[in-house]
Amino acid sequence: NAGVMQNPRHLVRRRGQEARLRCSPMKGHSHVYWYRQLPEEGLKFMVYLQKENIIDESGMPKERFSAEFPKEGPSILRIQQVVRGDSAAYFCASSSLVGSTEAFFGQGTRLTVV
Amino acid sequence: TQLLEQSPQFLSIQEGENLTVYCNSSSVFSSLQWYRQEPGEGPVLLVTVVTGGEVKKLKRLTFQFGDARKDSSLHITAAQPGDTGLYLCAYSGGMVNTGNQFYFGTGTSLTVIP
Repeated sequence: NAGVMQNPRHLVRRRGQEARLRCSPMKGHSHVYWYRQLPEEGLKFMVYLQKENIIDESGMPKERFSAEFPKEGPSILRIQQVVRGDSAAYFCASSSLVGSTEAFFGQGTRLTVV
Repeated sequence: TQLLEQSPQFLSIQEGENLTVYCNSSSVFSSLQWYRQEPGEGPVLLVTVVTGGEVKKLKRLTFQFGDARKDSSLHITAAQPGDTGLYLCAYSGGMVNTGNQFYFGTGTSLTVIP
């Protein structure tokens, strides 16, 4: 079974450009979570999605950030007009059940804004 | 607000030594999880503790959930270089109907020197 797949692994963007991060959940998983991690810090919850629905976006910045999980295809985290402070590792996790105590993480996308 | 505080933040020890890291809070949790994250990778779930006072063992790792379910500890016996990584505790912030997004502690970065 393939695990959670994220791409790209590394992404470099200039200030003002757009960044698109992709996440394919584990087979059979319909719940996707995005997290952001700064160096030497824990992960911060951003958004929880099910197919075609945003369930909880309480951790998502109000501006420039958006997420989707379409009926077909991977989940996308989109950051518009990136700034240096957006540089971080972005992790996606997936689970199969609401209330499941286990979520499986991808290897992350490391975004560097120059 | 950071609900889970981990200590120490950084720990560097010699191979073969024992160590304990802590995850503390003033809040009560139905369960806590421990993850290990290696450099450049996503977090991997080690254990979930559910019952107050519960002790779980995973080879040389011993996890304990406090009696009041407010804190947890991880003890590693005879540390190996392969134990090097970031140890994160986390709780599930989701309710039954809203998924299981996790909220992470600040992390303990462990380095085991050969």
